[in-house]
Amino acid sequence: DVKVTQSSRYLVKRTGEKVFLECVQDMDHENMFWYRQDPGLGLRLIYFSYDVKMKEKGDIPEGYSVSREKKERFSLILESASTNQTSMYLCASSLPSGTYNEQFFGPGTRLTVL
Amino acid sequence: QKEVEQNSGPLSVPEGAIASLNCTYSDRGSQSFFWYRQYSGKSPELIMSIYSNGDKEDGRFTAQLNKASQYVSLLIRDSQPSDSATYLCAVTPSGGYQKVTFGTGTKLQVIP
Repeated sequence: DVKVTQSSRYLVKRTGEKVFLECVQDMDHENMFWYRQDPGLGLRLIYFSYDVKMKEKGDIPEGYSVSREKKERFSLILESASTNQTSMYLCASSLPSGTYNEQFFGPGTRLTVL
Repeated sequence: QKEVEQNSGPLSVPEGAIASLNCTYSDRGSQSFFWYRQYSGKSPELIMSIYSNGDKEDGRFTAQLNKASQYVSLLIRDSQPSDSATYLCAVTPSGGYQKVTFGTGTKLQVIP
């Protein structure tokens, strides 16, 4: 069964802290994604990775960085957390097929920055 | 114009009725189309994928694709209160084979 896990379900951090969100998938998928989801704005892509050590910016990369040292693990880093980064963060993975690229999501991390 | 548009709802239907959810997209070259269900506070769950024009049925769910009209729909037959959720339409844009663009979702309420 498809499995994507995220390191925390809920996280509370203070402004200026460095925050690490981790995602692990056990499906041997090449592609991994980080989204944030906010009411009324839907899912917005922050970064994605199509291979180990490879990454591409999504629609809203400012204030975020990512790391992918192993195929199964994709980390999102908030270098200096700000209150406007309070959100639900969702990780997803998919095969690299151009057509059959269903994405499978982890349970999400609800981050609150005080 | 948004790339993927959905009516935000809520769409209210009585239990046992057919719920019809609609989605339009702007990129005529889009190849892959998906429907996700998202319960409040949970992550999206893939329920249907469709890649060619026509209908695709899976249990109580039917996805319909009309590429000429740039229109995707999801029908839920015999709606149940457990179907109450937000349904996200997602599309793979042309040239962006690894990425998917999501609509903002339609909230469905099934009234017992």
